[in-house]
Amino acid sequence: DAMVIQNPRYQVTQFGKPVTLSCSQTLNHNVMYWYQQKSSQAPKLLFHYYDKDFNNEADTPDNFQSRRPNTSFCFLDIRSPGLGDAAMYLCATGGLWEETQYFGPGTRLLVL
Amino acid sequence: AQTVTQSQPEMSVQEAETVTLSCTYDTSESNYYLFWYKQPPSRQMILVIRQEAYKQQNATENRFSVNFQKAAKSFSLKISDSQLGDTAMYFCAFTMKTSYDKVIFGPGTSLSVIP
Repeated sequence: DAMVIQNPRYQVTQFGKPVTLSCSQTLNHNVMYWYQQKSSQAPKLLFHYYDKDFNNEADTPDNFQSRRPNTSFCFLDIRSPGLGDAAMYLCATGGLWEETQYFGPGTRLLVL
Repeated sequence: AQTVTQSQPEMSVQEAETVTLSCTYDTSESNYYLFWYKQPPSRQMILVIRQEAYKQQNATENRFSVNFQKAAKSFSLKISDSQLGDTAMYFCAFTMKTSYDKVIFGPGTSLSVIP
């Protein structure tokens, strides 16, 4: 089945230690999104790619970076995680001219 | 700027009963899409139902239906014959025509289905 896959599902890192979260998709969608979701809150968009065109939200901290080496994969890099970065990180995809987004299961990040 | 409001942070319903979740939004656009997403305790966000603003007919998906009032900018979700598996956080969401436009999520309503 076509899907959005996120690895790992759970990630523990230390304060200040760089961490990378991975997302892959088999839907062949042009657009990929990264959201941060804290407990009992709505997802907050960090950035998205339209193909290789990167679009950063104005309030996304510089600590968060992203890479999209090809259509299928997208990575979220947190350069120096702080305690406030502990959250669920959701990856989503969308097709060109398609309004529905398809979400992965998320990666729960814990910062010690 | 578009905004989405869900005025009910938490709701509960007896199994097999009907419940309605409220959502209002604000936009100056005329062509857009509205969604209800469900996020169960396992946390994977899944699409429940979608509505295209230019369609007057309310969308229906099995036990889920919406009441779309474009003039009032209201988009409520009705769940009939509630099941235990309906327990989840429900997010109302808005987007413009293409997926290149970001989705605006409401704050969510936590629904508990009680046996």
